[in-house]
Amino acid sequence: QVQLQESGPGLVKPSQTLSLTCTVSGGSISSGSYYWSWIRQPAGKGLEWIGRIYISGSTKYNPSLKSRVTISVDTSKNQFSLRLSSVTAADTAVYYCARGLLWPDYWGQGTLVTVSS
Amino acid sequence: EILMTQSPATLSVSPGERATLSCRASQSVYTNLAWYQQKPGQAPRLLIYGASTRATGIPARFSGSGSGTEFTLTISSLQSEDFAVYYCQQYNNWPWAFGQGTKVEIK
Repeated sequence: QVQLQESGPGLVKPSQTLSLTCTVSGGSISSGSYYWSWIRQPAGKGLEWIGRIYISGSTKYNPSLKSRVTISVDTSKNQFSLRLSSVTAADTAVYYCARGLLWPDYWGQGTLVTVSS
Repeated sequence: EILMTQSPATLSVSPGERATLSCRASQSVYTNLAWYQQKPGQAPRLLIYGASTRATGIPARFSGSGSGTEFTLTISSLQSEDFAVYYCQQYNNWPWAFGQGTKVEIK
């Protein structure tokens, strides 16, 4: 059974960079034709796709965040990561990592990141 | 970008009754549509992909239909564990996008 777990600081100051890591267990991040995604959800609101990475390293980012987002993969650690720069209060949300073909079928439990000074 | 619109925002249903949720895309997504269920404090759970294919382990009371721009998720007989928020998601065009959700609450 594949499991995903997000980790990283729960509090980030405005204008700084948010960094999260998703650790995959129960399977290799290199196996299968899966996309590995970051999705976020502000409190009481809907879901927003941040971006995705394929095991080849190919990435796609949401145009609304593209200039601030970097997603990378470390196959040796079975992890993929998110960096979001120049954060503001609007970036406060629960951040999920997820695996899927075109539809995520495995999700992490989510981690709350608050942007505040 | 494709905009996904779900209706109604809230659906009040009695246990055992049928629930019908709608999702509309701003342009055709063919059958490249998925449905998710989310309960408070939990990650979304995949229910349906390909507009009508149930994911592994999803009960038969959940069914999806539609193509193009109009889609429906039907829960044939609501159980207590089905009261949650439901999201549709298109994966035809990047950025993949979710609807704003429909909350199914107990009547």
